[in-house]
Amino acid sequence: DAKTTQPPSMDCAEGRAANLPCNHSTISGNEYVYWYRQIHSQGPQYIIHGLKNNETNEMASLIITEDRKSSTLILPHATLRDTAVYYCIVRVIIQGAQKLVFGQGTRLTINP
Amino acid sequence: ETGVTQTPRHLVMGMTNKKSLKCEQHLGHNAMYWYKQSAKKPLELMFVYSLEERVENNSVPSRFSPECPNSSHLFLHLHTLQPEDSALYLCASSHMGGNTEAFFGQGTRLTVV
Repeated sequence: DAKTTQPPSMDCAEGRAANLPCNHSTISGNEYVYWYRQIHSQGPQYIIHGLKNNETNEMASLIITEDRKSSTLILPHATLRDTAVYYCIVRVIIQGAQKLVFGQGTRLTINP
Repeated sequence: ETGVTQTPRHLVMGMTNKKSLKCEQHLGHNAMYWYKQSAKKPLELMFVYSLEERVENNSVPSRFSPECPNSSHLFLHLHTLQPEDSALYLCASSHMGGNTEAFFGQGTRLTVV
């Protein structure tokens, strides 16, 4: 399974863009990059995913480098409610099911 | 509310008890998952079910026994647990493969005394 590397913690000021990096240098050509976040002891919440193109939805943007070895999650206007642990995951498919292997993630703190 | 419901939300059990955790989804998903999250640790994948067939068992001790009677329900049967099994147990579900995401329940907070 492809491993991801994220900084353990980051801080961002409220209202500013939060840019969370992730390295996944062993990713295979057909593996997607997924981002989830977990707000204190709740179930993880899906944010966004992508294969090779940049993606944007109502929550965030995902920028994937051309060689696919790294990506950046962008929260354009961070709020205090965005304080959470953010997980970057390379998804593997096993017999049709999605295998999501969570690492330590990045603990993002949004400061007022 | 994600559409994945776990019951109970909190459970305290003795080491000699037998209990079951329940997960239910009516999202039309056909893959379901159990994860364990111990204090200050990342989520650990325990079991994966695809079309009601177990396709992954990540070296989980036999005191944890999963059951998937149909595509909407997933159980985790617990017996003779240890205090170190205290954790947040999370269920998730998804469509099979492709360009989709998994949805997680809010979890069951289990304390073994």
